[in-house]
This record gives sequence, C-alpha cells and structure tokens, in this order.
Amino acid sequence: GEDVEQSLFLSVREGDSSVINCTYTDSSSTYLYWYKQEPGAGLQLLTYIFSNMDMKQDQRLTVLLNKKDKHLSLRIADTQTGDSAIYFCAELAPPSNTGKLIFGQGTTLQVKP
Amino acid sequence: DTGVSQNPRHKITKRGQNVTFRCDPISEHNRLYWYRQTLGQGPEFLTYFQNEAQLEKSRLLSDRFSAERPKGSFSTLEIQRTEQGDSAMYLCASSFWTGGTGELFFGEGSRLTVL
Repeated sequence: GEDVEQSLFLSVREGDSSVINCTYTDSSSTYLYWYKQEPGAGLQLLTYIFSNMDMKQDQRLTVLLNKKDKHLSLRIADTQTGDSAIYFCAELAPPSNTGKLIFGQGTTLQVKP
Repeated sequence: DTGVSQNPRHKITKRGQNVTFRCDPISEHNRLYWYRQTLGQGPEFLTYFQNEAQLEKSRLLSDRFSAERPKGSFSTLEIQRTEQGDSAMYLCASSFWTGGTGELFFGEGSRLTVL
C-alpha cells in the first residue's frame, strides 16, 4: 500500500538553507509533490517532480528525487521567516488516472530571526 | 477571487447532529476531491468526483458520510449522526484533469468540532 513518511519538525535560522525529507513506498508513483500550509489556510502547491527526473529547481526551491531509495527532499535556500509553515510531501497514488494524492504527516518548519 | 471556496469555515455541533459542508470548485475544473485532516496529520483522501460522477470512496467514508456533486459544479459533504471522532478539518480540492500532473487546488477547509 501507499505510505509517505516525513520528519515532524525542523528549526533553522533566517538566511540558512532548509532541507525537508520524505520517503515514500510506491515505486510506481509518477509524480511527487510538495505542498505548503500556513496557519488557518488551505494547502498551496509549491512544486512537483516527475518520476523520471532526479532534480528540479524553481527559484529558491530545489527538489531532489532518489527513486532507488524512494527518497524525496525539498531544499529552501535563504530561508525567510515567511517560510515558516507546515510542508507536506505527497505522491500521486496509482493508478495515476484517479489524480488522488497520498500525503505525509507534514514537517513543521520554524524559521528563527 | 476565483479559487476553491468552502462553507462554513467552522462548524460546532453536538454529537448526534447532522452537518453539511459545501465546496465550490474553480469553475472550469472537472474533478473535485474531499479530504479530511486531523491535528498533526496530513490530509487523508475521502472521495472524488469527475463531473457529477462519484468515482471512488475511501474506506474512511463510513455510511454516515455522503457526498454529492449534482450538476458537476459545487459539491456537498454531509455527515449524519456526528461523533466526536468526526472532529477534523474537511478540505476540498479541484483540478482540471486531462491526465498528467492534475494539480490540485485546495480550499481553506471547513473545520468541524463535535462536542
């Protein structure tokens, strides 16, 4: 079955890089996603990566995918206090035509000034 | 604002009462999803629609839960005879599915508190 695991908490200083890690179980997942949730708000898609890629960069965000180890990471460069939020990793559950996402439990990122 | 809209944002009810949540998706989106999120957890899939057809229901969706999308636009999620364990954030998301990434756009959620 599908399962997505994340570490629960990360604390960094403003200006440092943050790395949030995720492992997933289903090797047939075609897309993997990172969502951000701020207090009292819905989930916002940050970025996604197709399973045939091993890296994707989008401004301050870098996604690394190790398909062999089923490991996904999100690196945020020059982390700002406004990046404080919960970050969810998600995989597109097979069969992919449902569009159904399986989420991890979320990593709370605390950015200290 | 033309994002996903959910109402009410917060509902407090007594155990045993029925509640209904409404979701208005982004207008051109053909798919609509309901998720449930409890404190400290990620969203869990409940059900989804393509247009007006309900294509999948999770085992989490007991007989007390029913969802509809009568005209393929807005959707309702009804919970009958609420229990304290139903207390959660109910999230709606929509997408324009043509295959591929099928990016989900989420609403801000409806928080249910069952006393």
